[in-house]
Amino acid sequence: EDQVTQSPEALRLQEGESSSLNCSYTVSGLRGLFWYRQDPGKGPEFLFTLYSAGEEKEKERLKATLTKKESFLHITAPKPEDSATYLCAVQRNSGNTPLVFGKGTRLSVIA
Amino acid sequence: DAGITQSPRHKVTETGTPVTLRCHQTENHRYMYWYRQDPGHGLRLIHYSYGVKDTDKGEVSDGYSVSRSKTEDFLLTLESATSSQTSVYFCAISETGTAYGYTFGSGTRLTVV
Repeated sequence: EDQVTQSPEALRLQEGESSSLNCSYTVSGLRGLFWYRQDPGKGPEFLFTLYSAGEEKEKERLKATLTKKESFLHITAPKPEDSATYLCAVQRNSGNTPLVFGKGTRLSVIA
Repeated sequence: DAGITQSPRHKVTETGTPVTLRCHQTENHRYMYWYRQDPGHGLRLIHYSYGVKDTDKGEVSDGYSVSRSKTEDFLLTLESATSSQTSVYFCAISETGTAYGYTFGSGTRLTVV
């Protein structure tokens, strides 16, 4: 069974205080690992897809990295507008099986 | 915004009544999904569709049924609503199921009293 575990559940940062969110996964053959951002009352919004160990992708203050067992979402010098819940999901490398999501990390950035 | 809309956005219903949630897309994507999101559980897959009249169950499908008679519409039905089905329901669409993941709707908040 595919599993995704995200940590921490919640993270509170001061503005400018860099940190990382973790996503550990077990899947029988990884097709892709996905990061989403979700604001309160809204649907998740796609951020990145990573396909193989060693791959990195960046968007503004966010950088996602991937190893064979986990992914990190690094947040550099966060701003209050980065406050959201960040979701990680995996897709198995078998047909087009649906994404399996973790429970998310709720990030609060305080000015 | 991607062409995906969910209706209704909010609904309160009584235990034992049938409820149908609608997901409508204008992107002509092949794949459509229904997830529910609950505190402490994250997003869990209910049912999904990989084409007109082609559907399959997810991990939490008990008590739910779906139908897809047209590419653009994916309906989720709670045959007899229970309080445990109080949740936020998200529909998602995907052209190929990969690359850019899914595009999600804005969600339907369902309360069963």
